[in-house]
Amino acid sequence: DIQMTQSPSSVSASVGDRVTITCRASQDIRSWLAWYQQKPGKAPKLLIFDATTLQSGVPSRFSGSGSGTDFTLTISGLQPEDFATYYCQQAKRVPLIFGGGTKVEIK
Amino acid sequence: EVQLVESGGGLVQPGGSLRLSCEASGFSFSKHDMHWVRQRSGNRLEWVADIGTNDATDHAASVKGRFFISRENAKNSLFLQMNSLRVEDTAVYYCAREAESSPETVDYWGQGVLVTVSS
Repeated sequence: DIQMTQSPSSVSASVGDRVTITCRASQDIRSWLAWYQQKPGKAPKLLIFDATTLQSGVPSRFSGSGSGTDFTLTISGLQPEDFATYYCQQAKRVPLIFGGGTKVEIK
Repeated sequence: EVQLVESGGGLVQPGGSLRLSCEASGFSFSKHDMHWVRQRSGNRLEWVADIGTNDATDHAASVKGRFFISRENAKNSLFLQMNSLRVEDTAVYYCAREAESSPETVDYWGQGVLVTVSS
């Protein structure tokens, strides 16, 4: 199975900050990567697919980059509603594997 | 509006069975692959199973031979039959729709249903 490693596991940031989350795959997954946001008690929400494509309705302050094994999710100008946990997921093949999550907390 | 509504969760003893259901609306259910994904106590998301539009299925190694995914397109419904349940199967189970435009990417999730396996 393809393994996904996310870092950091948590980050403290202030409103307006730029936050970067990284995800590494254990093998080449080309651009088959998705990013999700999850708030407490809620289902995950798709933010980015195919590594760089913003899902419809997602604010443009979210962006994704990378290919192969190394990927990045960037939030440019953190907003109060962005405090949540973020997960990456390899979308090359089943089994779908998710990263361990990055909790973005208020500083 | 796409909606996925799970039901059938609850408390069950180890070794018992449960059948989860997911009722879909707001889209052409028969045209999408569907998944079950679970999450234990707010931890890492874990893929459980998927079923294609051609009824082909895959199951995670941790549930293979115990859980069975199925669908009934006429009723816009997805199911997960869970047998021989273990304490470690305790989790919130999400019904999830695979995106048409990006294989193996989930673009919509249900609200989740809690399954608790305990004596």
